[in-house]
Amino acid sequence: AQSVAQPEDQVNVAEGNPLTVKCTYSVSGNPYLFWYVQYPNRGLQFLLKYITGDNLVKGSYGFEAEFNKSQTSFHLKKPSALVSDSALYFCAVRDRASGTYKYIFGTGTRLKVLA
Amino acid sequence: DTGVSQDPRHKITKRGQNVTFRCDPISEHNRLYWYRQTLGQGPEFLTYFQNEAQLEKSRLLSDRFSAERPKGSFSTLEIQRTEQGDSAMYLCASSLASGGPYEQYFGPGTRLTVT
Repeated sequence: AQSVAQPEDQVNVAEGNPLTVKCTYSVSGNPYLFWYVQYPNRGLQFLLKYITGDNLVKGSYGFEAEFNKSQTSFHLKKPSALVSDSALYFCAVRDRASGTYKYIFGTGTRLKVLA
Repeated sequence: DTGVSQDPRHKITKRGQNVTFRCDPISEHNRLYWYRQTLGQGPEFLTYFQNEAQLEKSRLLSDRFSAERPKGSFSTLEIQRTEQGDSAMYLCASSLASGGPYEQYFGPGTRLTVT
């Protein structure tokens, strides 16, 4: 069965500092991995995805994520946090080998960037 | 492209009543998903369609839930004999299907409160 874990409910970081939001996954085959962001009173928005190839994926708003197969992780990163990055972040996985188009989402990590 | 829309945005109903929600996906998107999200949790997969065909349904979904996508355009999600445990945000998302996998575009959600 596929699953995804976001071990931190909340991450606090000072504006201008680098940020990391953690995600680990479990699938039987190779994963498709996604990050989405949810702002208050807004729908989830796509940030970036890993399909295959380069382990470092660049996405919207200066975010990037690193796929690490040995550690089954897909951590979201940004070199310099902005107050406007404060939001709820979700990692999602789909098992490439399962034949399903079902996506499993993590429980979310609330990012708070302090001015 | 006006994005994914959902109607209504809020619904308050009494236990035992039936409710129906509508989702209008992005017009060229073949794939449509329904999710349920409760406070502190990520989106939980309910079902998905490719065009008008419902291809997968969560085992967690009871027989009180049914979804349709006539003509492969808009979709409806009906909950019969609502229970207080059905109170949640119901999210719709759409994506392209050929090739991919593609990111999902989410609607703003319908918040259901069962009293």
